Amino acid sequence: QVALQESGPGLVKPSQTLSLTCTVSGDSISSGSYHWSWIRQPAGKGLEFIGRLYTSGSTNYNPSLKSRVTISMDTSKNQFSLSLNSVTAADTAVYYCARGVSGFWGGYTDYWGQGALVTVSS
Amino acid sequence: EIVMTQSPATLSVSPGERVILSCRASQTVITKLAWYQQKAGQAPRLLMQGRSIRATGIPARFSGSGSGTEFTLTISSLQSEDFAVYFCQQYNDWPYTFGQGTKLEIK
Repeated sequence: QVALQESGPGLVKPSQTLSLTCTVSGDSISSGSYHWSWIRQPAGKGLEFIGRLYTSGSTNYNPSLKSRVTISMDTSKNQFSLSLNSVTAADTAVYYCARGVSGFWGGYTDYWGQGALVTVSS
Repeated sequence: EIVMTQSPATLSVSPGERVILSCRASQTVITKLAWYQQKAGQAPRLLMQGRSIRATGIPARFSGSGSGTEFTLTISSLQSEDFAVYFCQQYNDWPYTFGQGTKLEIK
């Protein structure tokens, strides 16, 4: 059974960098059939894709966040990570890591982590 | 980016009723449309992909239809465990985008 688990600080100061790690079990992040995503959800609001990482190491970022985001992987630990710099209160949200199905008819997300609440506040 | 619009925002229904949730895309997404269910305090769960293909373990009372820009999710007979928020998501064009959700609440 595939499982994803987010970890990282729950409180980040404004202007600093938000860093989260997703640990994957039950699948290898090196599998070519999937890509690995970060998605966020502010309280009481909708969902927003932050970006995704392919097993090749290539990435796609949401243009609205592209200048501040880096997603990377550590295949030895079967983990991938999110870094979002220069955060403001608007970045306060639950952050989910997720597995997406690749391929022409892929793109949907079939497994999600439980989510990590990150609050940006001084 | 493609804007996804869901209607209604909230739907008050009784168990056993049939409900239809709508999702509209600002431009065609062909059939690259997924539906997710989210319960309070939980991560979203994939219900449907490719417009009408149920995910593993999703009961047959859930069905999806549509193509292009207009899609629907139908729940044939609401069960108590179905009261939740439902999101549609397009994956035809990056950045993938979600609708704002439809909340099913008990009447």
